[in-house]
Amino acid sequence: GNSVTQMEGPVTLSEEAFLTINCTYTATGYPSLFWYVQYPGEGLQLLLKATKADDKGSNKGFEATYRKETTSFHLEKGSVQVSDSAVYFCALSAGNFNKFYFGSGTKLNVKP
Amino acid sequence: EAGVTQFPSHSVIEKGQTVTLRCDPISGHDNLYWYRRVMGKEIKFLLHFVKESKQDESGMPNNRFLAERTGGTYSTLKVQPAELEDSGVYFCASSQSGTSAKQFFGPGTRLTVL
Repeated sequence: GNSVTQMEGPVTLSEEAFLTINCTYTATGYPSLFWYVQYPGEGLQLLLKATKADDKGSNKGFEATYRKETTSFHLEKGSVQVSDSAVYFCALSAGNFNKFYFGSGTKLNVKP
Repeated sequence: EAGVTQFPSHSVIEKGQTVTLRCDPISGHDNLYWYRRVMGKEIKFLLHFVKESKQDESGMPNNRFLAERTGGTYSTLKVQPAELEDSGVYFCASSQSGTSAKQFFGPGTRLTVL
């Protein structure tokens, strides 16, 4: 079946620190992979995506590479800001109608 | 362009009561999805509408949950009677036709059952 596992939080970092949030998946077929972000009081927003192996998604300084050999899609950012504080969800979509499977979310707190 | 909207943003009810959540998708989006996040766990798929038809309702937890999308526009999700374990955040998403269409999510409804 399809599932996503991501590291538990919360993750607390100082501003300008390096961020990694681990995400691994199991899937039948060839899924697309996503990172969504939920800022306080807001809905889920697509942060980045990758649709096939070795693709790199990037946005707002965040990056993630679709690694089929390790079934991973780790999220990284070289220098986090206080404004990056949010909950990050790793997800995959599979099947004809893009049914999503999400991880449990990782809360990131960035301190000035 | 207006995004996906959900109403109410918060609902607090007692066990045994009925609650109805509403989702207004982006205009013209045929696909509408309901998801739920319970107590900090993963966001789980509940069901998927294509226009007014239920395409996939495999994630609906039990028959206390009833989803409708009359006319293929907005959708409602009714919980009757509500139980403690139904507490969580209910998200709605919509997308255009097509297998690679991007899903747009609403802000969610936080349901608390006491």
